[in-house]
Amino acid sequence: ETGVTQSPTHLIKTRGQQVTLRCSSQSGHNTVSWYQQALGQGPQFIFQYYREEENGRGNFPPRFSGLQFPNYSSELNVNALELDDSALYLCASSTRTGATNEKLFFGSGTQLSVL
Amino acid sequence: KQEVTQIPAALSVPEGENLVLNCSFTDSAIYNLQWFRQDPGKGLTSLLLIQSSQREQTSGRLNASLDKSSGRSTLYIAASQPGDSATYLCAVDPAGANNLFFGTGTRLTVIP
Repeated sequence: ETGVTQSPTHLIKTRGQQVTLRCSSQSGHNTVSWYQQALGQGPQFIFQYYREEENGRGNFPPRFSGLQFPNYSSELNVNALELDDSALYLCASSTRTGATNEKLFFGSGTQLSVL
Repeated sequence: KQEVTQIPAALSVPEGENLVLNCSFTDSAIYNLQWFRQDPGKGLTSLLLIQSSQREQTSGRLNASLDKSSGRSTLYIAASQPGDSATYLCAVDPAGANNLFFGTGTRLTVIP
């Protein structure tokens, strides 16, 4: 089991609402990445945070936003929820050394259902 | 844009059998390739990571190979066990920044 913890484990929202998902990194890790995994699909990269700034973003609209805090924990915020946002949201942490990152460790995810 | 494909989508084998899972990717300019395991509704566990300069990695009953020039990787599982039942995902990292491109996975069932 990794040291990456996510909360909540499950969440139900209605279309148009806003949601905040939380992630605590593994001890010693300074980089957090977020992925969206729709049912039956592989995870898709949303964005990554390093030193409290966004450091790379996938093909997701601006209503997906994030934060990284000084203790390296992170939040993923999604505004104006759509039905297609229903997915497992995975957080992963790693250590950035120079220009590259060490191995990723994933949390167990937050299952978001949008009704 | 990098695209990762995994074949087969699902596989069912009797316990004890050796098996091979396949992964292909469209852009050979990768930093590394990883194989992950995912149990239903759970996060991902990294099994093996192959750097672009390497040809294979081994861990216990698992062996992963990488042919970067042809855009292919295989995961070999020896003497399969029911506990190996899970979805196996292949992911490529283009630049070492952990912005991974994943395949859709192979769902493996090992029958006792």
